[in-house]
Amino acid sequence: DVKVTQSSRYLVKRTGEKVFLECVQDMDHENMFWYRQDPGLGLRLIYFSYDVKMKEKGDIPEGYSVSREKKERFSLILESASTNQTSMYLCASSATGVGYNEQFFGPGTRLTVL
Amino acid sequence: ILNVEQSPQSLHVQEGDSTNFTCSFPSSNFYALHWYRWETAKSPEALFVMTLNGDEKKKGRISATLNTKEGYSYLYIKGSQPEDSATYLCAYDSGTYKYIFGTGTRLKVLA
Repeated sequence: DVKVTQSSRYLVKRTGEKVFLECVQDMDHENMFWYRQDPGLGLRLIYFSYDVKMKEKGDIPEGYSVSREKKERFSLILESASTNQTSMYLCASSATGVGYNEQFFGPGTRLTVL
Repeated sequence: ILNVEQSPQSLHVQEGDSTNFTCSFPSSNFYALHWYRWETAKSPEALFVMTLNGDEKKKGRISATLNTKEGYSYLYIKGSQPEDSATYLCAYDSGTYKYIFGTGTRLKVLA
């Protein structure tokens, strides 16, 4: 059974803290994505990676960075958490050149920044 | 700015009712349209990948149609059941690995 896992389901942090959200996929996918979901808005792309150590900014990268040292793992980093980064964060992965770019999602991390 | 719209935003139906919702997307540079079902506390689950104009796909009581010329897709649920309660997302795919998601339709099926 293919799987994308995220390190935490719920996370509470304080303003100014450095926050790491981890995502691991077991499908040997080349592409990995970080999204955030806010009420009334569609999933918005923060960053994606198409290969180890490669990354590209999505639509809302400000305040975030990412790390992909291994193919199966993609980390989202909030350098200094702020209250407007309270959100649901979803990780996804997809294979290059297979099917129609179907993305497989993790269960999400609900982050609250106080 | 490319926009994907879904309607309605939410709806409540009685068990046994049939329902449908709409996804509108740009008709240019179309590659695929993805439908996902997202149940509370679970991962979004892929339902359909729609690629050709006139496509119709079916999975159990759920089906979808696609019109790429006018830029819309319909999702139908026949005889809704409480377990169909979820948010249904569509995502426009122009073939660049990046999706543009709609805001979703939140369905609640009342027993």
